[in-house]
Amino acid sequence: SAVISQKPSRDICQRGTSLTIQCQVDSQVTMMFWYRQQPGQSLTLIATANQGSEATYESGFVIDKFPISRPNLTFSTLTVSNMSPEDSSIYLCSVPGTADEQFFGPGTRLTVL
Amino acid sequence: SQQGEEDPQALSIQEGENATMNCSYKTSINNLQWYRQNSGRGLVHLILIRSNEREKHSGRLRVTLDTSKKSSSLLITASRAADTASYFCATVASGYSTLTFGKGTMLLVSP
Repeated sequence: SAVISQKPSRDICQRGTSLTIQCQVDSQVTMMFWYRQQPGQSLTLIATANQGSEATYESGFVIDKFPISRPNLTFSTLTVSNMSPEDSSIYLCSVPGTADEQFFGPGTRLTVL
Repeated sequence: SQQGEEDPQALSIQEGENATMNCSYKTSINNLQWYRQNSGRGLVHLILIRSNEREKHSGRLRVTLDTSKKSSSLLITASRAADTASYFCATVASGYSTLTFGKGTMLLVSP
């Protein structure tokens, strides 16, 4: 199984600012996924990040709001731009395993005031 | 996109009892998975069952899948306080590689 770390683990931000979340994996992976989990809700896929290509965004999510970088096979960042209180969520990255399962990072808990 | 529905939304039991959670989904799937999340932290993969399987066991976990009813159940036997967590089902639709999560069941196991 992959070991995934995320930075920061939590943050409190002012509306209108941006936060970049880092995701580091201990092995090389082709795909990485970014999810949002709003308070008391389930996980929603934001985008799939492939190394060397543009991220693929799900319906309801746009690159201007959630730009993603994937500079190499072990690292990705998700930026939450021009934040509002509605962006307060846990953001998680994940990578696929060998049998269709996914391994998740510990999450970044974001509060926007 | 499909979204799983789970019931119950919350379940409270005593240690030693069994806990059963159900999940329904809407479209054809390649597989269905169950994950556990402790206190808003990262998710842990528990078990995966493929569309051609009907039942699967892993330790104290038993998962069933009924593709005709588009439903699955997760049974945790002899529950422990450490099983207290939120449990999510997630499906991989046929022809896709991404997960679609259900709404989850919050399980509280009291000592």
